[in-house]
Amino acid sequence: DAGVTQSPTHLIKTRGQQVTLRCSPKSGHDTVSWYQQALGQGPQFIFQYYEEEERQRGNFPDRFSGHQFPNYSSELNVNALLLGDSALYLCASARKQGFRGTEAFFGQGTRLTVV
Amino acid sequence: AQSVTQPDIHITVSEGASLELRCNYSYGATPYLFWYVQSPGQGLQLLLKYFSGDTLVQGIKGFEAEFKRSQSSFNLRKPSVHWSDAAEYFCAEGSQGNLIFGKGTKLSVKP
Repeated sequence: DAGVTQSPTHLIKTRGQQVTLRCSPKSGHDTVSWYQQALGQGPQFIFQYYEEEERQRGNFPDRFSGHQFPNYSSELNVNALLLGDSALYLCASARKQGFRGTEAFFGQGTRLTVV
Repeated sequence: AQSVTQPDIHITVSEGASLELRCNYSYGATPYLFWYVQSPGQGLQLLLKYFSGDTLVQGIKGFEAEFKRSQSSFNLRKPSVHWSDAAEYFCAEGSQGNLIFGKGTKLSVKP
């Protein structure tokens, strides 16, 4: 079992550009969540996808959008990049959306640097 | 709104000494609590979780945590720290279907 895999591992973008990050969930998992972790901070919840729909969203602007595919993999898109978007982006997968406290497994993250 | 507080930003302990990392949560009903560990530049690994039942939970790598409702706490402990335990530790609450994390405690281990 490969666990949660994210790509790419590192990315450098220029202010104003757009970026797409990808996540493949752990086998058997159908729910994918995305988190942003700024340097020296705890992860902050961006949104969660289940059955190809956004089910929950944290306090992030509309520049952050996502998608879930029929095979449960997911993408995170960020438009009009700002310097403040530089962070480690973590993907987490779990089974059965809505089950409170379901154990989430995290990927290694994508380090995004905006210059 | 839910919140998780980790009062200690950085803790240094000697190898072989005991460890306690503090975590306080704010949630009215029964919380779902987790401790995760993160090595530099890496993702998060689950150490242990509490959903219900016995308030003392055992995790991987010799860690344990105790849920105390009266104190709204879920402190992480280890009786004897190893140099490989040096990392950042995050407490999280997950009763709403997503995880609310504390800001983390960085653990350094002295030889």
